[in-house]
Parts: sequence; structure tokens; C-alpha cells
Amino acid sequence: NAGVTQTPKFQVLKTGQSMTLQCAQDMNHNSMYWYRQDPGMGLRLIYYSASEGTTDKGEVPNGYNVSRLNKREFSLRLESAAPSQTSVYFCASNGVAKNIQYFGAGTRLSVL
Amino acid sequence: DQQVKQNSPSLSVQEGRISILNCDYTNSMFDYFLWYKKYPAEGPTFLISISSIKDKNEDGRFTVFLNKSAKHLSLHIVPSQPGDSAVYFCAAPRVYNQGGKLIFGQGTELSVKP
Repeated sequence: NAGVTQTPKFQVLKTGQSMTLQCAQDMNHNSMYWYRQDPGMGLRLIYYSASEGTTDKGEVPNGYNVSRLNKREFSLRLESAAPSQTSVYFCASNGVAKNIQYFGAGTRLSVL
Repeated sequence: DQQVKQNSPSLSVQEGRISILNCDYTNSMFDYFLWYKKYPAEGPTFLISISSIKDKNEDGRFTVFLNKSAKHLSLHIVPSQPGDSAVYFCAAPRVYNQGGKLIFGQGTELSVKP
């Protein structure tokens, strides 16, 4: 019973490097989300996808891009990583019970 | 603009006692609230929710109270157990009467001591 799977779990980047965080869900959910969690700030929405083929900006989209590859997969890309993007990133999805989101275990990213 | 606020970063209680976690919000249009629980190195998991048409919702040891006039909700855990030690987030849907995009509070770290 996998739910929401995120890869990688940990990553260290140098400033200016690029990388893609992967997320996949096996619950046939339409909506998917990317959040970042920083100390004292809770979870903040970066991007979301209401359905396959659509994406939209959240609260803190600058420096990120996303791709909803298909219904299962929603990736987050950092084109040129900055130290301010050091954070824990969570992917989530929800289905019919729209308010209840299911989260992956997170990706801990450090940008040096 | 922090529309959902948890002003206590941490709370420590003894096993068997009541834990009360508080959350305030500023947007009177919020009509649904959720509590999530997060253990270290894991993602948040849904715990309990409440609609604005109610003032109380109970699920086992967990009860959420909503005071709309004060724009305040609280999560009560009775009795508290060491396994309840985690970070608790309150959240509300960003758009009135629509699910999905959530606004989260800053979180309160609960420590339940044996």
C-alpha cells in the first residue's frame, strides 16, 4: 500500500545546480501538490495540479517549475538551486474527499 | 499574511493528562478546518477535521472545538500518550468552499512524557 512516493529522500546540491524531485501516487487521485516546510513556517504551497494536464502556482512558486507527467506523477524541478531553497519538500494528493490530502515522506534538500 | 496561526511552538504534558493545542485564523470565510500530525522523517497524516457548521467533532481520544466568533479552534487529546508526541498542524482550505489547496499553521510540537 504505497500511497504517495517521493524520490530521492535526501539530496545535497551546490548553488546553481539543477535537479528534479519525483512524486508518484497510486490512489488514482486527480489533484497533486508540492509543499515546502521550513522551521517556524509550517507547510507552504509551491505548485499544485488540479488534474492531469493542468498546473498552477501556489504561495511560493519562484525558482521552481513543475510537470504533471500523467495522472500518477507530478515532478518539481529546481533549475538553478539557491541556498534559500534548502528545505524539506512534501508531495501530496487528494481525491474525492477533497480536503484530506495524503502526503509522501518528504525530500530533505540542502543547497550549499 | 499568516491566515492560520499556531502561536505555541511547543507543548509538554505528562502521560495521561490532557493536551490542548490551539490554532487561530483570520479569514472568516474559512468553512472547514483540519488537523494533521507529523512524526520526524515522515509526511503529515490527517488526524481530524471540523466543518464550520459544527462546534465540536470527536474521534476517540481526539476532539476538535471550533469557536467561530473568536476565530479559534483547539485540539484536545485525552488521555495523552507518549505515542502522541509529534508536530501538529492545523490547516484550512485556501479557497472558500473548495477543498484542495490548504493553508497550514506553523505547527506545535507536542511532547508527552511518561
